[in-house]
Amino acid sequence: EAQVTQNPRYLITVTGKKLTVTCSQNMNHEYMSWYRQDPGLGLRQIYYSMNVEVTDKGDVPEGYKVSRKEKRNFPLILESPSPNQTSLYFCASSSLRGKRQETQYFGPGTRLLVL
Amino acid sequence: SQQGEEDPQALSIQEGENATMNCSYKTSINNLQWYRQNSGRGLVHLILIRSNEREKHSGRLRVTLDTSKKSSSLLITASRAADTASYFCATDTQGGSEKLVFGKGTKLTVNP
Repeated sequence: EAQVTQNPRYLITVTGKKLTVTCSQNMNHEYMSWYRQDPGLGLRQIYYSMNVEVTDKGDVPEGYKVSRKEKRNFPLILESPSPNQTSLYFCASSSLRGKRQETQYFGPGTRLLVL
Repeated sequence: SQQGEEDPQALSIQEGENATMNCSYKTSINNLQWYRQNSGRGLVHLILIRSNEREKHSGRLRVTLDTSKKSSSLLITASRAADTASYFCATDTQGGSEKLVFGKGTKLTVNP
């Protein structure tokens, strides 16, 4: 089954404790992306990747890191989480038409609470 | 950066009625997509319409695109309680970066 998986689905942590949210897709998609969703602010892009070893900042990259060592995986790293990073996080992937994304497939989301 | 803006922000209708949601955007696009999100869950793709297309159908969904007005509409016909969800438009900007920019969504409630 074609899917995007994220782990963990729920996470409670404390300020400053490094964490990683994993994302994996099994559709051989070139494009992968991380979003955060907050009430009243909609979906905002954190980082995206056009292919292996190619990553770029989205609209809200501060406080986050990503890596794309393999095509299927795109982990999101919070080196020193802060309470303002409490949010619902989504990973997504899509194939590319030229440089443009086609349909994006979303993971189920990771709900993060930073105390 | 906000590209698509959905209207209305919230819509409440009775089962069987049609629901229309609109999306306006600011700059020229390659394509526009509509997504659906059930509460707290991942977004699910509904329809992609390209800039050279004017209308597209998928089951009870009908999407129109008016590039001269920089707007799109999503029509759900004969709505069901199961259509209750938030609906987002996303635009892929011409000549811009390789980002898909989402609006803030329309929250649709279909009352049984």
